Amino acid sequence: QQPVQSPQAVILREGEDAVINCSSSKALYSVHWYRQKHGEAPVFLMILLKGGEQKGHEKISASFNEKKQQSSLYLTASQLSYSGTYFCGTEAPSNTGKLIFGQGTTLQVKP
Amino acid sequence: DTAVSQTPKYLVTQMGNDKSIKCEQNLGHDTMYWYKQDSKKFLKIMFSYNNKELIINETVPNRFSPKSPDKAHLNLHINSLELGDSAVYFCASSQVGMGYSPLHFGNGTRLTVT
Repeated sequence: QQPVQSPQAVILREGEDAVINCSSSKALYSVHWYRQKHGEAPVFLMILLKGGEQKGHEKISASFNEKKQQSSLYLTASQLSYSGTYFCGTEAPSNTGKLIFGQGTTLQVKP
Repeated sequence: DTAVSQTPKYLVTQMGNDKSIKCEQNLGHDTMYWYKQDSKKFLKIMFSYNNKELIINETVPNRFSPKSPDKAHLNLHINSLELGDSAVYFCASSQVGMGYSPLHFGNGTRLTVT
């Protein structure tokens, strides 16, 4: 079952903050976050393995609520380089490495 | 050194033809994958191999046949290509079973079937 991301698209000015949500209907082992720029491959940002634990990467952090099967990606003080499509990928407790990706959230940061 | 490399980068062919995409990783990972990304950017897993053994086979037409000669290589052969096969195909690798197992993607192969 594909996780659902929201919002579908976000437009920001440099320096503004954004939150991208990822919600699954199934129990999860982990949640991954990736960013893909136009014409390029998805690039790994972070993995969330424990409920409620926040992980950081530059000015990007994320949380994972196991009980609600939800994860959120927080982008603070956005930069032009943050523009791209963000995907969450969810992994089931079977831990086979199989990721089911959400439909993506397109983020555009303007000067 | 490129961690996950796939060739070719672009593939333009006619319906009915057979084509192959090759992938190699030098990260020492034990698991490799093929993902398909359609025009709406939807990323969908197709296959996964762990140490040359097929472990994930999603509902993919039989025209698609993966082959893994060793754990560093995973190729994808597609028979009788159809218009709907047009997409970007990404190879990826990871080290499964260690908790922290990010996917490392190749640069993708853009397949256009005319």
